[in-house]
Amino acid sequence: AQSVTQLDSHVSVSEGTPVLLRCNYSSSYSPSLFWYVQHPNKGLQLLLKYTSAATLVKGINGFEAEFKKSETSFHLTKPSAHMSDAAEYFCVVVNYGGSQGNLIFGKGTKLSVKP
Amino acid sequence: DAGVTQSPTHLIKTRGQQVTLRCSPISGHKSVSWYQQVLGQGPQFIFQYYEKEERGRGNFPDRFSARQFPNYSSELNVNALLLGDSALYLCASSFYSRQLNTEAFFGQGTRLTVV
Repeated sequence: AQSVTQLDSHVSVSEGTPVLLRCNYSSSYSPSLFWYVQHPNKGLQLLLKYTSAATLVKGINGFEAEFKKSETSFHLTKPSAHMSDAAEYFCVVVNYGGSQGNLIFGKGTKLSVKP
Repeated sequence: DAGVTQSPTHLIKTRGQQVTLRCSPISGHKSVSWYQQVLGQGPQFIFQYYEKEERGRGNFPDRFSARQFPNYSSELNVNALLLGDSALYLCASSFYSRQLNTEAFFGQGTRLTVV
């Protein structure tokens, strides 16, 4: 069965400092992994995706994530936080069970950015 | 092009009532999925429809049903509403049902409050 575990429910950083949001996955086959962001009262926006190509994936707004099979991890990073990065972030794995595909979300990590 | 549109944006219903939520996918997308996001949690998969057929169902009771129309829009119906059905209901559209190497585009969601 596919699953993701987001290791921190809340992360707080200062503006201009690095961001690290941690995610571990469990998959019985080579996974497709995503990070989505959700700003307050907004829908979900795709930040980046890993689909078995390069293990270092670059996304929008300066975010990137590294797929590490040996550690079953897909952590999200950004070198320098901006106030506009404050939001909820979801690590997601695709479930290819049966004839359909659906997304399995982690519980989310709320990122706070202090001035 | 318009993104995924959902209606209504907000809804208040009484316990025991029935509700219908609507979703129009991105033009050209044939797959629509529904997710429930309870406050403080990640979205959970409810249904997937592709080419007007149900292709997947999450772990939700039979009070939840859905359908997809010839124009690929979709409705989610919930009968006999419970307080626990209060959530943000998200619709996602994608071109393929298995979302292989594609992303799901989410609407802004319908906020359902059951009182």
